[in-house]
Amino acid sequence: DVKVTQSSRYLVKRTGEKVFLECVQDMDHENMFWYRQDPGLGLRLIYFSYDVKMKEKGDIPEGYSVSREKKERFSLILESASTNQTSMYLCASTLTGESNQPQHFGDGTRLSIL
Amino acid sequence: AQKITQTQPGMFVQEKEAVTLDCTYDTSDQSYGLFWYKQPSSGEMIFLIYQGSYDEQNATEGRYSLNFQKARKSANLVISASQLGDSAMYFCAMREDYGNNRLAFGKGNQVVVIP
Repeated sequence: DVKVTQSSRYLVKRTGEKVFLECVQDMDHENMFWYRQDPGLGLRLIYFSYDVKMKEKGDIPEGYSVSREKKERFSLILESASTNQTSMYLCASTLTGESNQPQHFGDGTRLSIL
Repeated sequence: AQKITQTQPGMFVQEKEAVTLDCTYDTSDQSYGLFWYKQPSSGEMIFLIYQGSYDEQNATEGRYSLNFQKARKSANLVISASQLGDSAMYFCAMREDYGNNRLAFGKGNQVVVIP
């Protein structure tokens, strides 16, 4: 089974801090994604990556950056955390090429910015 | 513009009954894929079922089936014989086949199964 692991289930940080959310997958997937989920808004794509050192902006990239130095690891960075970034963050990965491949998700990180 | 629409309010369903969750989508592509995910209160997203735009048969996976009506651009999820463990949020998502495997998600349907 595909395993996508997010480093923390719950995280509390302070306004202005630099925050790192880590995601690791063990199935050699090319594509990795970061979403945030807010009540009533569904999942919104922040950034995605289709290869090492490659990244693409999603629908809501403002206030975030990402890093993909190794194929299995995709990090989301909040450069200067703000209270409106309090949310549930979900990481996902998938293979390239087959349209029927689902995205596999981690368990999510509930981030609170105080 | 919203690509995936899920508009039903929260639903209560009796255990052992079937429930249908509506999903309509908007695309000009001929080739695309539709996915349903389940998210229990614990937060993880669980893949349930997939339907390709060229698939002639409606997809089925155990108690889950997809009522795919291409002309109407709808892909409704049917859960048969509901169980208490089916209580969750359900998300419909679409992949348009332009190569990077992005998904567009709907806002979800809340289902509560009552004994």
